[in-house]
Amino acid sequence: AQRVTQPEKLLSVFKGAPVELKCNYSYSGSPELFWYVQYSRQRLQLLLRHISRESIKGFTADLNKGETSFHLKKPFAQEEDSAMYYCALRPLYGQNFVFGPGTRLSVLP
Amino acid sequence: DAGVTQSPTHLIKTRGQHVTLRCSPISGHKSVSWYQQVLGQGPQFIFQYYEKEERGRGNFPDRFSARQFPNYSSELNVNALLLGDSALYLCASSLYSSEGYEQYFGPGTRLTVT
Repeated sequence: AQRVTQPEKLLSVFKGAPVELKCNYSYSGSPELFWYVQYSRQRLQLLLRHISRESIKGFTADLNKGETSFHLKKPFAQEEDSAMYYCALRPLYGQNFVFGPGTRLSVLP
Repeated sequence: DAGVTQSPTHLIKTRGQHVTLRCSPISGHKSVSWYQQVLGQGPQFIFQYYEKEERGRGNFPDRFSARQFPNYSSELNVNALLLGDSALYLCASSLYSSEGYEQYFGPGTRLTVT
């Protein structure tokens, strides 16, 4: 069965500190991995996906197939990064997304 | 483009009733997916439709059904509502481009079952 886990419900860091939001997945094939973000009173939106290998708003994420992880990282957190972050998996030939439970990131001044 | 739109925004129903939620995708998007998000959890996949055909179904009872219209808008129907159906229902339209799969979410419909 496909599953996405995010071990931290809440992560608090100070402004300027590095941040890492953890994501682990279970899937026997080759999935597509995504990070979605939801800012306060806004809709869920795509932050980044592993196949594009890009940095968005200073965030990066590397797919580690050996550890089945897709952790989200940013070297210097900003207050505007405070939001709910969801890791999601899409099977290579599947139509559904499997979301993790989410991690609330709080960046303190 | 206003993005994905959903109606209504909020809805209160009684146990046993049925409900219809509506979604309009982004212009040009032919695929629509529905998700249920219970408080404190991530979205859970219910259905995906592409070109009016069901292409995927999550682990939900038969009380849940959906359809897609020729203009690619979609409806989600839930019959015999239970208290546990109270959730935020999200619609997403998607496009597969040369850069990969992109999914855009609507603001959601919050359903409360009393």
